[in-house]
Amino acid sequence: DAKTTQPPSMDCAEGRAANLPCNHSTISGNEYVYWYRQIHSQGPQYIIHGLKNNETNEMASLIITEDRKSSTLILPHATLRDTAVYYCIVRPGMDAGNMLTFGGGTRLMVKP
Amino acid sequence: GAVVSQHPSRVICKSGTSVKIECRSLDFQATTMFWYRQFPKKSLMLMATSNEGSKATYEQGVEKDKFLINHASLTLSTLTVTSAHPEDSSFYICSARKSTGGIQPQHFGDGTRLSIL
Repeated sequence: DAKTTQPPSMDCAEGRAANLPCNHSTISGNEYVYWYRQIHSQGPQYIIHGLKNNETNEMASLIITEDRKSSTLILPHATLRDTAVYYCIVRPGMDAGNMLTFGGGTRLMVKP
Repeated sequence: GAVVSQHPSRVICKSGTSVKIECRSLDFQATTMFWYRQFPKKSLMLMATSNEGSKATYEQGVEKDKFLINHASLTLSTLTVTSAHPEDSSFYICSARKSTGGIQPQHFGDGTRLSIL
Protein backbone atom coordinates (compact mmCIF):
# COMPACT_ATOMS: atom_id res chain seq x y z
CA ASP A 1 0.00 0.00 0.00
CA ALA A 2 1.10 3.56 -0.65
CA LYS A 3 2.17 5.44 2.43
CA THR A 4 0.69 8.73 3.52
CA THR A 5 2.18 11.74 5.25
CA GLN A 6 0.13 13.97 7.52
CA PRO A 7 1.06 16.78 9.89
CA PRO A 8 1.07 15.43 13.45
CA SER A 9 -1.20 18.13 14.82
CA MET A 10 -3.35 21.09 13.87
CA ASP A 11 -5.51 23.62 15.66
CA CYS A 12 -8.74 25.09 14.39
CA ALA A 13 -11.10 27.68 15.80
CA GLU A 14 -14.64 26.54 16.45
CA GLY A 15 -16.95 27.45 13.59
CA ARG A 16 -14.12 27.77 11.10
CA ALA A 17 -13.28 25.34 8.34
CA ALA A 18 -10.68 22.73 9.21
CA ASN A 19 -8.46 21.76 6.27
CA LEU A 20 -6.45 18.62 6.88
CA PRO A 21 -3.79 17.82 4.28
CA CYS A 22 -2.47 14.42 3.28
CA ASN A 23 0.39 13.57 0.98
CA HIS A 24 0.27 10.26 -0.88
CA SER A 25 2.76 10.81 -3.67
CA THR A 26 3.25 7.09 -4.38
CA ILE A 27 -0.44 6.26 -4.76
CA SER A 28 -1.27 3.70 -7.43
CA GLY A 29 -3.99 4.02 -10.01
CA ASN A 30 -6.29 1.54 -8.30
CA GLU A 31 -5.90 2.94 -4.80
CA TYR A 32 -8.60 4.95 -3.10
CA VAL A 33 -8.09 7.61 -0.46
CA TYR A 34 -10.00 6.96 2.75
CA TRP A 35 -10.39 9.25 5.73
CA TYR A 36 -11.23 8.10 9.24
CA ARG A 37 -11.17 9.82 12.57
CA GLN A 38 -10.76 8.52 16.08
CA ILE A 39 -12.20 10.34 19.01
CA HIS A 40 -10.49 9.55 22.28
CA SER A 41 -11.16 6.01 23.56
CA GLN A 42 -13.43 5.12 20.65
CA GLY A 43 -13.02 3.07 17.51
CA PRO A 44 -12.23 4.86 14.24
CA GLN A 45 -15.17 6.42 12.43
CA TYR A 46 -15.40 6.38 8.65
CA ILE A 47 -15.67 9.86 7.15
CA ILE A 48 -15.31 9.75 3.39
CA HIS A 49 -13.39 8.20 0.52
CA GLY A 50 -12.61 8.96 -3.10
CA LEU A 51 -10.61 7.89 -6.12
CA LYS A 52 -9.98 10.99 -8.19
CA ASN A 53 -13.07 13.17 -8.11
CA ASN A 54 -13.87 15.48 -5.24
CA GLU A 55 -16.42 14.03 -2.86
CA THR A 56 -18.81 15.53 -0.34
CA ASN A 57 -21.09 14.03 2.25
CA GLU A 58 -22.83 15.20 5.39
CA MET A 59 -19.62 15.07 7.38
CA ALA A 60 -16.94 16.50 5.14
CA SER A 61 -15.55 17.23 1.70
CA LEU A 62 -12.59 15.50 0.12
CA ILE A 63 -10.49 17.36 -2.40
CA ILE A 64 -8.04 15.24 -4.40
CA THR A 65 -5.44 16.93 -6.59
CA GLU A 66 -5.48 16.18 -10.27
CA ASP A 67 -2.26 14.16 -10.06
CA ARG A 68 -3.73 12.34 -7.02
CA LYS A 69 -0.54 12.83 -5.06
CA SER A 70 -2.25 14.69 -2.27
CA SER A 71 -5.66 15.37 -0.82
CA THR A 72 -7.37 17.62 1.70
CA LEU A 73 -10.19 16.77 4.06
CA ILE A 74 -12.38 19.75 4.80
CA LEU A 75 -14.66 20.03 7.79
CA PRO A 76 -16.66 23.12 6.78
CA HIS A 77 -17.67 24.31 10.24
CA ALA A 78 -15.60 22.63 12.91
CA THR A 79 -17.15 22.04 16.31
CA LEU A 80 -15.56 20.99 19.59
CA ARG A 81 -16.82 17.47 18.94
CA ASP A 82 -14.62 17.30 15.85
CA THR A 83 -11.54 17.18 18.08
CA ALA A 84 -9.98 13.83 17.15
CA VAL A 85 -7.12 12.13 15.37
CA TYR A 86 -7.74 12.09 11.62
CA TYR A 87 -6.26 9.33 9.51
CA CYS A 88 -5.67 9.45 5.77
CA ILE A 89 -5.27 5.97 4.28
CA VAL A 90 -4.83 4.72 0.74
CA ARG A 91 -5.96 1.25 -0.17
CA PRO A 92 -6.83 -0.74 -3.28
CA GLY A 93 -10.58 -0.69 -3.60
CA MET A 94 -11.47 -3.93 -5.25
CA ASP A 95 -10.45 -6.59 -2.75
CA ALA A 96 -12.60 -7.04 0.31
CA GLY A 97 -9.70 -8.67 2.11
CA ASN A 98 -7.45 -5.63 1.94
CA MET A 99 -7.00 -4.19 5.38
CA LEU A 100 -6.51 -0.55 6.36
CA THR A 101 -3.02 0.40 7.46
CA PHE A 102 -3.00 3.32 9.87
CA GLY A 103 -0.24 5.88 10.04
CA GLY A 104 0.23 8.50 12.72
CA GLY A 105 -2.65 10.70 11.64
CA THR A 106 -3.26 14.36 12.45
CA ARG A 107 -4.44 15.33 15.90
CA LEU A 108 -6.97 18.10 15.32
CA MET A 109 -7.76 20.30 18.25
CA VAL A 110 -10.83 22.50 17.82
CA LYS A 111 -10.69 25.42 20.21
CA PRO A 112 -13.48 27.70 21.39
CA GLY B 1 -26.41 1.26 8.66
CA ALA B 2 -23.09 -0.62 8.81
CA VAL B 3 -22.86 -0.90 12.59
CA VAL B 4 -20.19 -2.98 14.27
CA SER B 5 -20.75 -3.93 17.88
CA GLN B 6 -17.90 -4.95 20.14
CA HIS B 7 -18.29 -6.50 23.57
CA PRO B 8 -17.23 -6.06 26.30
CA SER B 9 -16.14 -2.44 26.23
CA ARG B 10 -13.87 -2.84 29.21
CA VAL B 11 -12.30 -5.79 31.00
CA ILE B 12 -10.17 -5.84 34.12
CA CYS B 13 -8.85 -9.22 35.17
CA LYS B 14 -6.03 -11.02 36.87
CA SER B 15 -2.90 -12.22 35.17
CA GLY B 16 -3.31 -15.70 33.70
CA THR B 17 -6.96 -15.25 32.82
CA SER B 18 -8.22 -15.80 29.29
CA VAL B 19 -10.44 -13.08 27.90
CA LYS B 20 -12.84 -13.34 24.98
CA ILE B 21 -13.86 -10.30 22.94
CA GLU B 22 -16.78 -10.44 20.52
CA CYS B 23 -17.20 -8.46 17.33
CA ARG B 24 -20.54 -8.44 15.55
CA SER B 25 -21.70 -6.83 12.36
CA LEU B 26 -25.25 -5.88 13.24
CA ASP B 27 -26.85 -5.06 9.91
CA PHE B 28 -24.61 -6.57 7.29
CA GLN B 29 -22.66 -9.71 6.54
CA ALA B 30 -18.89 -9.65 6.77
CA THR B 31 -16.79 -12.37 5.20
CA THR B 32 -13.72 -10.66 6.57
CA MET B 33 -13.16 -8.95 9.88
CA PHE B 34 -10.00 -7.36 11.21
CA TRP B 35 -8.53 -7.15 14.68
CA TYR B 36 -6.35 -4.22 15.72
CA ARG B 37 -4.49 -3.31 18.88
CA GLN B 38 -3.71 0.21 20.01
CA PHE B 39 -1.33 1.26 22.77
CA PRO B 40 -1.67 4.68 24.44
CA LYS B 41 -0.91 7.60 22.13
CA LYS B 42 -0.06 5.21 19.32
CA SER B 43 -1.79 4.36 16.08
CA LEU B 44 -3.79 1.20 15.40
CA MET B 45 -1.73 -1.87 14.55
CA LEU B 46 -3.31 -4.71 12.63
CA MET B 47 -3.05 -8.00 14.48
CA ALA B 48 -4.92 -10.40 12.23
CA THR B 49 -7.44 -10.81 9.48
CA SER B 50 -10.37 -13.04 10.36
CA ASN B 51 -11.98 -14.99 7.55
CA GLU B 52 -15.35 -16.67 7.95
CA GLY B 53 -15.03 -20.43 7.83
CA SER B 54 -11.24 -20.53 7.62
CA LYS B 55 -8.13 -19.83 9.65
CA ALA B 56 -7.19 -16.29 10.49
CA THR B 57 -4.16 -14.64 8.97
CA TYR B 58 -1.84 -13.15 11.56
CA GLU B 59 0.56 -10.25 11.11
CA GLN B 60 4.22 -10.79 11.73
CA GLY B 61 5.06 -10.85 15.41
CA VAL B 62 1.53 -11.71 16.56
CA GLU B 63 1.34 -15.10 18.29
CA LYS B 64 -1.57 -17.10 16.93
CA ASP B 65 -1.63 -19.35 19.99
CA LYS B 66 -1.81 -16.31 22.23
CA PHE B 67 -4.54 -14.52 20.30
CA LEU B 68 -7.11 -17.06 19.18
CA ILE B 69 -9.50 -15.89 16.52
CA ASN B 70 -12.73 -17.59 15.54
CA HIS B 71 -15.00 -16.37 12.76
CA ALA B 72 -17.80 -18.89 12.87
CA SER B 73 -20.47 -16.89 11.07
CA LEU B 74 -20.82 -13.97 8.69
CA THR B 75 -21.71 -11.67 11.56
CA LEU B 76 -19.48 -12.75 14.42
CA SER B 77 -15.76 -12.93 15.06
CA THR B 78 -14.17 -13.51 18.45
CA LEU B 79 -10.70 -12.77 19.75
CA THR B 80 -9.53 -14.69 22.81
CA VAL B 81 -6.47 -13.46 24.63
CA THR B 82 -5.19 -16.60 26.31
CA SER B 83 -3.37 -16.54 29.63
CA ALA B 84 -3.28 -12.77 29.56
CA HIS B 85 -0.42 -10.91 31.22
CA PRO B 86 0.05 -7.21 32.03
CA GLU B 87 1.88 -6.60 28.75
CA ASP B 88 -1.31 -7.65 26.92
CA SER B 89 -3.12 -4.67 28.40
CA SER B 90 -4.22 -2.58 25.46
CA PHE B 91 -7.15 -1.23 23.46
CA TYR B 92 -8.41 -3.93 21.08
CA ILE B 93 -10.56 -2.85 18.14
CA CYS B 94 -12.33 -4.90 15.50
CA SER B 95 -13.59 -3.84 12.12
CA ALA B 96 -15.67 -5.36 9.37
CA ARG B 97 -16.53 -4.68 5.78
CA LYS B 98 -19.60 -5.77 3.89
CA SER B 99 -19.09 -9.02 2.04
CA THR B 100 -19.75 -7.27 -1.23
CA GLY B 101 -16.31 -5.76 -0.64
CA GLY B 102 -15.00 -3.54 -3.36
CA ILE B 103 -14.67 0.03 -2.24
CA GLN B 104 -16.95 -0.45 0.76
CA PRO B 105 -15.34 1.20 3.78
CA GLN B 106 -14.44 -0.73 6.90
CA HIS B 107 -16.54 0.01 9.93
CA PHE B 108 -15.12 -0.23 13.41
CA GLY B 109 -16.38 -1.28 16.77
CA ASP B 110 -15.91 0.98 19.77
CA GLY B 111 -13.06 -1.09 21.10
CA THR B 112 -12.36 -3.14 24.21
CA ARG B 113 -10.02 -1.76 26.83
CA LEU B 114 -8.25 -4.70 28.42
CA SER B 115 -6.44 -4.21 31.71
CA ILE B 116 -4.50 -7.12 33.19
CA LEU B 117 -3.52 -6.77 36.81
